[in-house]
Formats: sequence, C-alpha cells, structure tokens
Amino acid sequence: DTEVTQTPKHLVMGMTNKKSLKCEQHMGHRAMYWYKQKAKKPPELMFVYSYEKLSINESVPSRFSPECPNSSLLNLHLHALQPEDSALYLCASSRDRGHYEQYFGPGTRLTVT
Amino acid sequence: DAKTTQPTSMDCAEGRAANLPCNHSTISGNEYVYWYRQIHSQGPQYIIHGLKNNETNEMASLIITEDRKSSTLILPHATLRDTAVYYCIVTPLTGTASKLTFGTGTRLQVTL
Repeated sequence: DTEVTQTPKHLVMGMTNKKSLKCEQHMGHRAMYWYKQKAKKPPELMFVYSYEKLSINESVPSRFSPECPNSSLLNLHLHALQPEDSALYLCASSRDRGHYEQYFGPGTRLTVT
Repeated sequence: DAKTTQPTSMDCAEGRAANLPCNHSTISGNEYVYWYRQIHSQGPQYIIHGLKNNETNEMASLIITEDRKSSTLILPHATLRDTAVYYCIVTPLTGTASKLTFGTGTRLQVTL
C-alpha cells in the first residue's frame, strides 16, 4: 500500500472556528510532512516530523498547530485562520528524514471565510 | 540547494516523446536531481532521480549532462494522462531534512 490518505477532501471554515486536518499512511514511513499550496503556485513546506518528533517548522504562524500522535498519523490543527490561509494542504511521507522520495496525499482544499 | 530553471510551458502530441529540460548550473557534487509531477487537483508524484548517470524506470528516463549542469526528463510515449506540472528539484546527496523546495515547474500539455 503506497497510499497517503487525507481527510477531509474539502473544508470551509470561519475565522473563529477550530478544525483539524488528518493524514494517514501505512507504509511504515518515519518522516511526515505538511505542505501548503496556493492556487497556481508550487507547494511550500510547512512542517517536518521525524520519528513522531517535530523536526522542521518553516516559521509557520502559530494558528497552525501540527501533531503526530503515532508513526502513521499526522494532524494539522487550525485555529483563528485568515482568508489568505485558504489553500490546498498537502501531506506527504517518506521512509525517513533523509529520503527525498516522498509520497503525497491528494490534499485538503481549505477555504476560510 | 542549487537553483533550477525550467521552461514555463511545453506542448507535446500524444504518442510522441516529451522532453522536459532543466537547468541547474550551480549544482554541486553532492546534489541529486529529482523530478516530480503534479496532475491537476492531485498531490505531487515522484517520478525519478539521479546523480550523474542516466536513469530509467517504468515512468520515464532521466538524462544528466556530463558536467551535471542540466538534465532532461523524457516521457517516451506521452499520453493525455501525462498532462501535468513537472518539477525539477536539486537536493543534497544525504539529507538531514528531506526538504523539497519546488520551483515553478513546467506545465506540459499533451494534445491529440
């Protein structure tokens, strides 16, 4: 199974809401990533988890809070977002932090109203 | 990491070979060339990578020039399903961060 799943596929939330994005992989990968992709732009790295520990935070605002409860799951908790945070949020995984062959999920399309 | 330069867009007739160039003139000896693609409304997909030798897999071939300053991704028989944005990315040989930095890529349109 080389699949990374993400839920939900689409999410609309208000600026005062709290929501979470979920990502799951069962490939035994020990590195997981969150990327953000604005329309017609390339994906940009947000966070890297390695062996369930946060390894890289690319200066992401605190209204985005990642969590890695176990080696198969990655969450992104959202709170007090702004309309400019509307984007496609992509999750990826790789064998470990030193591997650049990453498997991406289909993404969650987030709209902040 | 070395910077890459790719054409903004390219067209290819279905059934013909698609040759996508990438310039990475500042690449250093310990950096790989990776190729990903992103089909519309999907996540990026790994295609192939190489260091200095040419590489081939079931999806594509990667030709790297001898001086390593440029490379070409070849899709030997393009189909409509190959329409996508193709990203050329240069990464360290051994990474401590697995940080993929996507450039603007090449939008390949495969037509009938």
